[in-house]
Amino acid sequence: DGGITQSPKYLFRKEGQNVTLSCEQNLNHDAMYWYRQDPGQGLRLIYYSQIVNDFQKGDIAEGYSVSREKKESFPLTVTSAQKNPTAFYLCASSIPGQSSSTDTQYFGPGTRLTVL
Amino acid sequence: QKEVEQNSGPLSVPEGAIASLNCTYSDRGSQSFFWYRQYSGKSPELIMSIYSNGDKEDGRFTAQLNKASQYVSLLIRDSQPSDSATYLCAVNTGFQKLVFGTGTRLLVSP
Repeated sequence: DGGITQSPKYLFRKEGQNVTLSCEQNLNHDAMYWYRQDPGQGLRLIYYSQIVNDFQKGDIAEGYSVSREKKESFPLTVTSAQKNPTAFYLCASSIPGQSSSTDTQYFGPGTRLTVL
Repeated sequence: QKEVEQNSGPLSVPEGAIASLNCTYSDRGSQSFFWYRQYSGKSPELIMSIYSNGDKEDGRFTAQLNKASQYVSLLIRDSQPSDSATYLCAVNTGFQKLVFGTGTRLLVSP
């Protein structure tokens, strides 16, 4: 089955710890994204990558880091520098469209991170 | 700051009625527009995409785009209780980046 997988589904972190969220896709999509969603709010872009070994900061990159060593994988690390990390984290990937402005993004099931 | 605005709702409609969800955006250069459905505790699911002015129909769903008014809407005909969810409007402002609205919560009562 083709799709986007995220693990774990639920993650608990103690203050001061770094944690890494996994995102894998077997859709052969070039671009991958990380979003954060807080209750009652829309999705906010953390990082995105259009190609292997390259990524760009989104609107709220502070306290997060990513890598893109393989096309299929785009892990997100939430560092201790992120002061309010409790949120629903969503990974997405996109089908290459006729232009960069028409790419359609599809989402994984998400990881719910809670800081204890 | 590029913005996408939606009424948070809830929008309540009876089963079988037409639900009308609206979205406005600030960036005139936006090229593509998307509607996602999100059930509570789940990830967003793509419902419709639209790129040109006018209407686009897919089953019970119709997306409407008016670039001059910077307005995009989603109509759901014959609404079902299973349509109860939050509907997110997303606008591609270029370079593969989507800006999301905060969503409209739809409640369809039996």
